[in-house]
Amino acid sequence: RKEVEQDPGPFNVPEGATVAFNCTYSNSASQSFFWYRQDCRKEPKLLMSVYSSGNEDGRFTAQLNRASQYISLLIRDSKLSDSATYLCVPSLSGGYNKLIFGAGTRLAVHP
Amino acid sequence: GAVVSQHPSRVICKSGTSVKIECRSLDFQATTMFWYRQFPKKSLMLMATSNEGSKATYEQGVEKDKFLINHASLTLSTLTVTSAHPEDSSFYICSARNPGPREAFFGQGTRLTVV
Repeated sequence: RKEVEQDPGPFNVPEGATVAFNCTYSNSASQSFFWYRQDCRKEPKLLMSVYSSGNEDGRFTAQLNRASQYISLLIRDSKLSDSATYLCVPSLSGGYNKLIFGAGTRLAVHP
Repeated sequence: GAVVSQHPSRVICKSGTSVKIECRSLDFQATTMFWYRQFPKKSLMLMATSNEGSKATYEQGVEKDKFLINHASLTLSTLTVTSAHPEDSSFYICSARNPGPREAFFGQGTRLTVV
């Protein structure tokens, strides 16, 4: 089983749509969870951390289900600028612990 | 916020030559940095974990003699691609984890083309 599994997409949605991405991870010892976005030919950038109780940052909402080892990201009112690849990243805590990335989910928002 | 700087952003070199890529953490001390490689439309693949003052830890299948890593200080790690070949052409990215919140910050990446 892969360490991180995501639907690769692409998700093609119109502006203003709501879109949800799901992610499952295999390491039950994971303690820190993040969503990154990566634009084409650029480095990944942190979108948001994911907390146990779920958290929201503007149009973005992240949820964590430890029992099911499942993380989700909801984007409301999609913008053209949201087009990117979204990477789910579970990790062990500690600055010395590596982050393992899945292939990510590609989102394309069209006018 | 925390910043990781990587240099150069783009390099073209001839087969058989070596290329050095630098990764600096500007806002915090990083005892550990990570080096990734990414081929077009593929995921980031961890190559190695760079440890300040000690040997790097390489992932399975990554040749340590080909990809030399040096982490001489708490703010600088270097990756040297030795005797580069066209198949080494790729996007190389470094990262460091913030000691506090623990998220990782990435350098801007280095696009290596070996001709």
